[in-house]
Amino acid sequence: AIQLTQSPSSLSAFVGDRVTITCRASQGIGSVLAWYQQIPGKAPKLLIYDASTLESGVPSRFSGSGSGTDFTLTISILQPEDFATYYCQHFNGYPVTFGQGTRLDMK
Amino acid sequence: QMQLQESGPGLVKPSETLSLTCTVSGGSISSSSYHWGWIRQPPGKGLEWIGNIYYGGATYYNPSLKSRVTISVDISKNQFALKLSSVTAADTAVYYCARLWYNWNYAYDYWGRGNLVTVSS
Repeated sequence: AIQLTQSPSSLSAFVGDRVTITCRASQGIGSVLAWYQQIPGKAPKLLIYDASTLESGVPSRFSGSGSGTDFTLTISILQPEDFATYYCQHFNGYPVTFGQGTRLDMK
Repeated sequence: QMQLQESGPGLVKPSETLSLTCTVSGGSISSSSYHWGWIRQPPGKGLEWIGNIYYGGATYYNPSLKSRVTISVDISKNQFALKLSSVTAADTAVYYCARLWYNWNYAYDYWGRGNLVTVSS
């Protein structure tokens, strides 16, 4: 099965910072990659699909890029509500795989 | 508005079978556009995909859980269900049901709120 490796596993940042999270696939997966945000105690929320398409209602400060094996999620200007854990997920035929997560804490 | 709701026991004894149901409202489970899935999250850990089902009955399972997992669908009730046999403490987790938009974005766009299941005697 394809493995997804996120980096970093955790990071600390200030409100207003620009942050980037990386997701690397163990083999090429085209652009079929999604990003989720999870606030503690809540279900994951879809942010981005097809590597770079913003889900309806998601603020434009979130953006995604990449294809093949290397993908990034960028938050341009961190807001207090963005401190959460972020996961990437691929679908290139079953099985589905999630990255291990990146926890974003307030500095 | 599409909603998914998990239901089932919050406590299961070791070696027994965990059973959960996901009720879908605000839309039909009998759509060719979607697959319906189960994902779990052990306390303090990441997301683990368990499996998906298509309304026609086709199932897809995580290879690491395949021998213990059964996912089924009840179209008349707009529900799908998860059974996980021979549970151990390692199966303690929040279990989510979710909708995957197949043949479009292949992402889980609607999720239930989650059901914490603890395996303990």
